Amino acid sequence: AQSVTQPDIHITVSEGASLELRCNYSYGATPYLFWYVQSPGQGLQLLLKYFSGDTLVQGIKGFEAEFKRSQSSFNLRKPSVHWSDAAEYFCAVGENNNDMRFGAGTRLTVKP
Amino acid sequence: GAGVSQSPRYKVAKRGQDVALRCDPISGHVSLFWYQQALGQGPEFLTYFQNEAQLDKSGLPSDRFFAERPEGSVSTLKIQRTQQEDSAVYLCASSLKQGKETQYFGPGTRLLVL
Repeated sequence: AQSVTQPDIHITVSEGASLELRCNYSYGATPYLFWYVQSPGQGLQLLLKYFSGDTLVQGIKGFEAEFKRSQSSFNLRKPSVHWSDAAEYFCAVGENNNDMRFGAGTRLTVKP
Repeated sequence: GAGVSQSPRYKVAKRGQDVALRCDPISGHVSLFWYQQALGQGPEFLTYFQNEAQLDKSGLPSDRFFAERPEGSVSTLKIQRTQQEDSAVYLCASSLKQGKETQYFGPGTRLLVL
């Protein structure tokens, strides 16, 4: 069965510093991979997705993610974090996008 | 509509009560999903519709949970005889069609069962 692991429950970074959020998945075939962000009281907003092709994916708000099949990873990165990036981040994997599995999430705190 | 909407946004129920949660997907979206998000956890899949057909209900935790989408648009998730463990945020998402499509999420309904 497909599964997603986000090893870091909580990460704190200083504003302007770089960010990397880890995501590992377990899946037999080539998965569809997603990163969503959830701010308090808000729904999930899609940051980026990988279906096929170029393994480096650009998303909104300056985020990017790289699919590494050999490591079963899809880590999210941002070169310079803004205070408004503080939120909960979820990695998700899907087969036909009909049954997405989400990780437990990583909460990002941004220090001034 | 502009996005997925859900109502009510908050619901407090006494244990044993029945509740109904509504989801209005983006107009024209064929696929509709329900997820349950417990506190501190990621969303977990409950059920999926393509138009009015419920194609997958494998994630529904018990027979107290029932979902419908009779006209292929608005969907209702009903929970009968609520229990405290049902307390969670219930998220609805829709996508334009089946397959490799982005799911757009609503703000969720926060259910608290006392």
